[in-house]
Amino acid sequence: NSKVIQTPRYLVKGQGQKAKMRCIPEKGHPVVFWYQQNKNNEFKFLINFQNQEVLQQIDMTEKRFSAECPSNSPCSLEIQSSEAGDSALYLCASSLDWGNYAEQFFGPGTRLTVL
Amino acid sequence: GDSVTQTEGLVTLTKGLPVMLNCTYQTTYSPFLFWYVQHLNEAPKLLLKSSTDNKRTEHQGFYATLHKSSSSFHLQKSSVQLSDSALYFCALTPGTGGYKVVFGSGTRLLVSP
Repeated sequence: NSKVIQTPRYLVKGQGQKAKMRCIPEKGHPVVFWYQQNKNNEFKFLINFQNQEVLQQIDMTEKRFSAECPSNSPCSLEIQSSEAGDSALYLCASSLDWGNYAEQFFGPGTRLTVL
Repeated sequence: GDSVTQTEGLVTLTKGLPVMLNCTYQTTYSPFLFWYVQHLNEAPKLLLKSSTDNKRTEHQGFYATLHKSSSSFHLQKSSVQLSDSALYFCALTPGTGGYKVVFGSGTRLLVSP
């Protein structure tokens, strides 16, 4: 079973507010992914890290989203100014291997509701 | 660009019947394909993976064969159980040496008694 920890499980914010969620990857996993799963269950890749460095991120992430994976601290994803369209399940996944065949281990997600 | 297509949004079946969930993909590179399963209010978890053409891979009664000639990686099971009710996602990493993962839109499988 996955040991990726995500907090909080539920987050409610008003429009324009900051929303911050955290992820502790499985021990020893150097690669971390963040995804947004919308109400239609579709996954959208947001950003990924290898140790503390950003590997890839989408344009949306570059504008209102910020993320980091500091050494010896949980990874975090923060939305600077929440919008109604940001309401979704945010999934964190970690991976042991850097290669393309690597299994991703998912956390239970943070469900964000923007009122 | 790279893409994964799952044509069925919802599949409903009676317990004991066989199932096939479709997955086709598009990529320029030699792909790695995955099936993830997500039960209600749970995290997605890996069910199967493959990068070998025409080789069947199996796990927990589910099986799939990567066919590069038809760009497909359909998920099958010979006899579904109630506990198989879940969301199933097909995913692709395009084998470019990067870290991009592309997910399909998912297929919800509902198994009735």
